[in-house]
Amino acid sequence: GENVEQHPSTLSVQEGDSAVIKCTYSDSASNYFPWYKQELGKRPQLIIDIRSNVGEKKDQRIAVTLNKTAKHFSLHITETQPEDSAVYFCAASSSSASKIIFGSGTRLSIRP
Amino acid sequence: GAVVSQHPSWVICKSGTSVKIECRSLDFQATTMFWYRQFPKQSLMLMATSNEGSKATYEQGVEKDKFLINHASLTLSTLTVTSAHPEDSSFYICSASRLVGEGELFFGEGSRLTVL
Repeated sequence: GENVEQHPSTLSVQEGDSAVIKCTYSDSASNYFPWYKQELGKRPQLIIDIRSNVGEKKDQRIAVTLNKTAKHFSLHITETQPEDSAVYFCAASSSSASKIIFGSGTRLSIRP
Repeated sequence: GAVVSQHPSWVICKSGTSVKIECRSLDFQATTMFWYRQFPKQSLMLMATSNEGSKATYEQGVEKDKFLINHASLTLSTLTVTSAHPEDSSFYICSASRLVGEGELFFGEGSRLTVL
């Protein structure tokens, strides 16, 4: 089955700097890669996703890149703000598997 | 976005009792729902896939007799933790998607179970 690895487990960046979180997946059939943000005590919320037919997607300060050959994808947050502090999860799935597998999570802290 | 509601949000029970958690999709029909378990500061571990009208599909290592899942309608899935023990204490969270396998997952609020 699918296995998703995520790094780093914790990340601290200065406000205004960029943050990068990286994930790898094992199942070459995976074709959908969402990123979720979970604030303390709250449910995970989708922040951006990418499908296997594109290599990059951007939404304001957030971007995701996908390298299908290497089976890795990354989340990029630019101009970080205090409200970006949260736990971020990457995930991968395929229509055939009918389930989404999550990475281990990255706790992002933004230093003022 | 779609709304998924989970109830109860927290529950405390004695060892040996059973606890039922409900997950409802409020504004869409979900043929498939997912149940996750989340330990403090850890990831979302998929426990099982709940299929409307059929048996749930459990992940490896998850006891199906311990965690009973019923998906009786297109908007409701239930997770029953049977004969609960302290090690079952955890945060349980359900999710549903309009498009199986490729769509955005909408999560419930989660249920924090504490077994005394």
